Amino acid sequence: KAGVTQTPRYLIKTRGQQVTLSCSPISGHRSVSWYQQTPGQGLQFLFEYFSETQRNKGNFPGRFSGRQFSNSRSEMNVSTLELGDSALYLCASSLGLAGQGEQFFGPGTRLTVL
Amino acid sequence: EDKVVQSPLSLVVHEGDTVTLNCSYEVTNFRSLLWYKQEKKAPTFLFMLTSSGIEKKSGRLSSILDKKELSSILNITATQTGDSAIYLCAALRGGGADGLTFGKGTHLIIQP
Repeated sequence: KAGVTQTPRYLIKTRGQQVTLSCSPISGHRSVSWYQQTPGQGLQFLFEYFSETQRNKGNFPGRFSGRQFSNSRSEMNVSTLELGDSALYLCASSLGLAGQGEQFFGPGTRLTVL
Repeated sequence: EDKVVQSPLSLVVHEGDTVTLNCSYEVTNFRSLLWYKQEKKAPTFLFMLTSSGIEKKSGRLSSILDKKELSSILNITATQTGDSAIYLCAALRGGGADGLTFGKGTHLIIQP
């Protein structure tokens, strides 16, 4: 069974640009959660999608948005990039809602904002 | 605001030692606590604990939740160099606003 895949793996952008990250969950998983990981703040929850609906949202500005498609693949978009957005962005999939069971993480997308 | 605090932040021990990692939480409508191991990139799931006082065990790793003390510990016995990683704990809240709050992790280094 293929694991969670994320594309691209690395990305370099400049301030003010926007970026779209993609996550393909494990086949059959309906929940996709997104996290931002930085050395200073650790792993922070961004949002969770389940059956194409955003179920939960973390404490991030509106520049961070996402969506989920009917095949459960999810995209995350960050507009008007800031230097502080440089981070490892991880997505995780699970059969049910996040936290009700095991979440499987993807390898992450390393975003660098210059 | 939900909070998860892990200690120590980093730990260096020798192979064969036993280590105990700590996690305390303050989470509204607490539902469960999860432990992950992160090597290089993607965290991998270790345990999910929902009931107080019941130990979960997997090989040399074990974990227990204390709901009275709002804390959990992760024990690793007979450590090996392959146990070197960042260990993350996360608390899940319920009540219609599910979401995981992660601690900053304990960076464990096992020296040969």
